[in-house]
Amino acid sequence: DTAVSQTPKYLVTQMGNDKSIKCEQNLGHDTMYWYKQDSKKFLKIMFSYNNKELIINETVPNRFSPKSPDKAHLNLHINSLELGDSAVYFCASSPSGSSTDTQYFGPGTRLTVL
Amino acid sequence: GENVEQHPSTLSVQEGDSAVIKCTYSDSASNYFPWYKQELGKRPQLIIDIRSNVGEKKDQRIAVTLNKTAKHFSLHITETQPEDSAVYFCAASYSSASKIIFGSGTRLSIRP
Repeated sequence: DTAVSQTPKYLVTQMGNDKSIKCEQNLGHDTMYWYKQDSKKFLKIMFSYNNKELIINETVPNRFSPKSPDKAHLNLHINSLELGDSAVYFCASSPSGSSTDTQYFGPGTRLTVL
Repeated sequence: GENVEQHPSTLSVQEGDSAVIKCTYSDSASNYFPWYKQELGKRPQLIIDIRSNVGEKKDQRIAVTLNKTAKHFSLHITETQPEDSAVYFCAASYSSASKIIFGSGTRLSIRP
């Protein structure tokens, strides 16, 4: 029973392509997040959604567009991929979106842009 | 601005010895401080957290201390074992923005 799952686990693609990463949680949580972890291991929040509503939108290029069809799913679409987009992308969820909630992470998607 | 500083960036200790990782935060309103462990190729997982109404919390070999006045908090691992080798992240809550900010991580290696 995977609590937070992501697909795909690995994604290798060429510069300029468009790709999507999917995330699902079965914890019944209201809030979901996308984080980017670069090669130096920095974990930086990109977006959060609470019950399908965008809450956090950090200074991320508008080539990145999150979509939440329902509160159990949060997808990330990336247009016109660049070399600097190579990273591990983690989805996470938390019960209510409060900053004092524990966040539960998915297994990550390693994106490599060639 | 929002900032969590974490030191050291790498730490190597002899098996059985203790390890200490320190973090400082900038927002005096922060009231939740989780610690995550990330093994190689795996997801970050919560190992312990502390809230601002307590100064210390312990769970078996790991403990966390919080000094709200100085805006410092620390992770202590005693009797280290090979399976403790991982990257450890501290984090602090920013209630005004409904998020947590992570430190830059500490790569802990346990020497046999």
